[in-house]
Amino acid sequence: GQQVMQIPQYQHVQEGEDFTTYCNSSTTLSNIQWYKQRPGGHPVFLIQLVKSGEVKKQKRLTFQFGEAKKNSSLHITATQTTDVGTYFCASYSGGGADGLTFGKGTHLIIQP
Amino acid sequence: KAGVTQTPRYLIKTRGQQVTLSCSPISGHRSVSWYQQTPGQGLQFLFEYFSETQRNKGNFPGRFSGRQFSNSRSEMNVSTLELGDSALYLCASSLDLRTDYGYTFGSGTRLTVV
Repeated sequence: GQQVMQIPQYQHVQEGEDFTTYCNSSTTLSNIQWYKQRPGGHPVFLIQLVKSGEVKKQKRLTFQFGEAKKNSSLHITATQTTDVGTYFCASYSGGGADGLTFGKGTHLIIQP
Repeated sequence: KAGVTQTPRYLIKTRGQQVTLSCSPISGHRSVSWYQQTPGQGLQFLFEYFSETQRNKGNFPGRFSGRQFSNSRSEMNVSTLELGDSALYLCASSLDLRTDYGYTFGSGTRLTVV
């Protein structure tokens, strides 16, 4: 099945700084979903992007889907301690034979 | 409404034993997926069930199996447990296959194999 690669694996930021995580694929993605997992918790669905070049915003979070539908990013403006956690991107394979495949995630660590 | 319920929350088993984990999806959700989460491998897809049929399967050995009942509740079974099976097993439900609305995860079952 396809793989989505996420970078960076870890990101340390000072509270109030911005944060970005990137998700890349060697093949065209049919869609991209983003999830957040707090420490000790379970993944929580944030958003789905489907269209080429799509940009969606949720308060301080901005999600983008690349024009070629091979990459995506999640940007958080002015991080807060509540943003701590691991952010995952996930996608279905184009052939539909696999389930939702997750990237390894980016661990966001915020220093107050 | 109630979320995705997984039982038990914690489990300790001995190598060679088998284990059955249970998942009750959100009412009305017909698709149930299972994931294994470990620090080294991250979230790995096990299988997805819809209308009592396995629709998708990940790259796991045949020791891992599952089923879905007519009320959409699902179970997964792991036979002949190995130390490497120690992980958090997450169940996720959705309205439909390849949903646009994302998956809702349960809190997971923490399996420790000793």
